Amino acid sequence: GAVVSQHPSWVICKSGTSVKIECRSLDFQATTMFWYRQFPKQSLMLMATSNEGSKATYEQGVEKDKFLINHASLTLSTLTVTSAHPEDSSFYICSALGQGALTGNTIYFGEGSWLTVV
Amino acid sequence: KNQVEQSPQSLIILEGKNCTLQCNYTVSPFSNLRWYKQDTGRGPVSLTIMTFSENTKSNGRYTATLDADTKQSSLHITASQLSDSASYICVVSLFYGNNRLAFGKGNQVVVIP
Repeated sequence: GAVVSQHPSWVICKSGTSVKIECRSLDFQATTMFWYRQFPKQSLMLMATSNEGSKATYEQGVEKDKFLINHASLTLSTLTVTSAHPEDSSFYICSALGQGALTGNTIYFGEGSWLTVV
Repeated sequence: KNQVEQSPQSLIILEGKNCTLQCNYTVSPFSNLRWYKQDTGRGPVSLTIMTFSENTKSNGRYTATLDADTKQSSLHITASQLSDSASYICVVSLFYGNNRLAFGKGNQVVVIP
């Protein structure tokens, strides 16, 4: 079945540094990918919608210069947390919208990436 | 106010017993309603997806129902297993595109032996 892979699964970084998280659709093409943030015992919060070949659409309150999103190919979107601070520590999840006969109309989620900023 | 409300927030059930989770939504019009299972620290996994014209959908021991008139959905877990311990999330897609999703906060289920 369709799989979305995230890397890394967990990362610890120093305050002030930048961290990149990758989201790949492994066996299907995804023109649209989504990035979410989830705090403990909270629901998923959409941060931005990533469209291949164009600028990402950010949700209200999400700093686009803080969370850089690049969707350079149909199978890869990246989220870069720039100048990370401890309050950026969270669980980041991506999802990809499947299209076509086999994966159409289904949203597949990655396994998530734990970010801890110290 | 959240567009998708789930209840109960959490529950503990004995292994082998059944349970029903509720999802009420205010999103209208909507395209489809999905139930996901999310294990702690993992990404959500799709269980069922129903369009507004469908009333029920099953996936193994999971059965989802939908009443578009009352804007209610339920997820029934039959003969629960320890591996069913997870958060179950109700997600509603807005009518004008799958890229707009409204998430519930999830039902936290703990199955004990």
